[in-house]
Amino acid sequence: DAGVIQSPRHEVTEMGQEVTLRCKPISGHNSLFWYRQTMMRGLELLIYFNNNVPIDDSGMPEDRFSAKMPNASFSTLKIQPSEPRDSAVYFCASSLSASGANVLTFGAGSRLTVL
Amino acid sequence: TQLLEQSPQFLSIQEGENLTVYCNSSSVFSSLQWYRQEPGEGPVLLVTVVTGGEVKKLKRLTFQFGDARKDSSLHITAAQPGDTGLYLCAGNNNDMRFGAGTRLTVKP
Repeated sequence: DAGVIQSPRHEVTEMGQEVTLRCKPISGHNSLFWYRQTMMRGLELLIYFNNNVPIDDSGMPEDRFSAKMPNASFSTLKIQPSEPRDSAVYFCASSLSASGANVLTFGAGSRLTVL
Repeated sequence: TQLLEQSPQFLSIQEGENLTVYCNSSSVFSSLQWYRQEPGEGPVLLVTVVTGGEVKKLKRLTFQFGDARKDSSLHITAAQPGDTGLYLCAGNNNDMRFGAGTRLTVKP
C-alpha cells in the first residue's frame, strides 16, 4: 500500500480564493481524520469520519471550512474563502479503528500558504 | 487550552544523555499513543499503551502509562542524534487529540 496520499503537497494562494485539499486513505481503513498543524497551536483535530460519516466536526474553525468523504477512498477539506491565518500544514490520517486503540497513519501533509 | 499538556516544550541535550518527557491530562483515555515527527513529514507511531500502569520498551525508549490512564512518560536512554524530532502524545477516546509536543534536539 502506498500509504495515505495527500495532494497538493504545497499550495500558495491569495486571500479570498477557494482551496481544496485531497486525501486518499489506506485501503481498508474505516476512520479518517483531518488535522491542522501550526507552531503556535500544534496539531489540532479539525474533523473525523467513521465509515464515511462525519462524527465530530467541533474542531472546524468556522463556516469557511468544510469536509466531505463521498466514499471510503477519498476525502476533501475545502476552505472558502481562504484567509492568511489559514496558513498551516494540513494532515490527513486514517486508521482501522478497533476497541481501545486507533493507530493513525498520516499522510505527508499539504502546506498551505495564503497571501 | 490543550487537552494534553506535554513537558518540556523544548529539550536540547548531548549525545549519550538520558531524558524523560511527560504527557499529562485531567481526562481518562482508553489508550494513549506516542508519535515522532520529523520535518516535512507526518507523525509516525512509536507505541500504543492501553492498560493503566503499563510499561513498554522499544530498544532505548521506555513508555509508561499512568495507573489512572491520564498521563504518560517517555524515557530515552543514551540519546542519539537520530532521536532528534518532535515527540507527540495523543489520547484516544474514539477521537485522537494531540498534545503540543516536545521538540528534542540531540547534539553529537
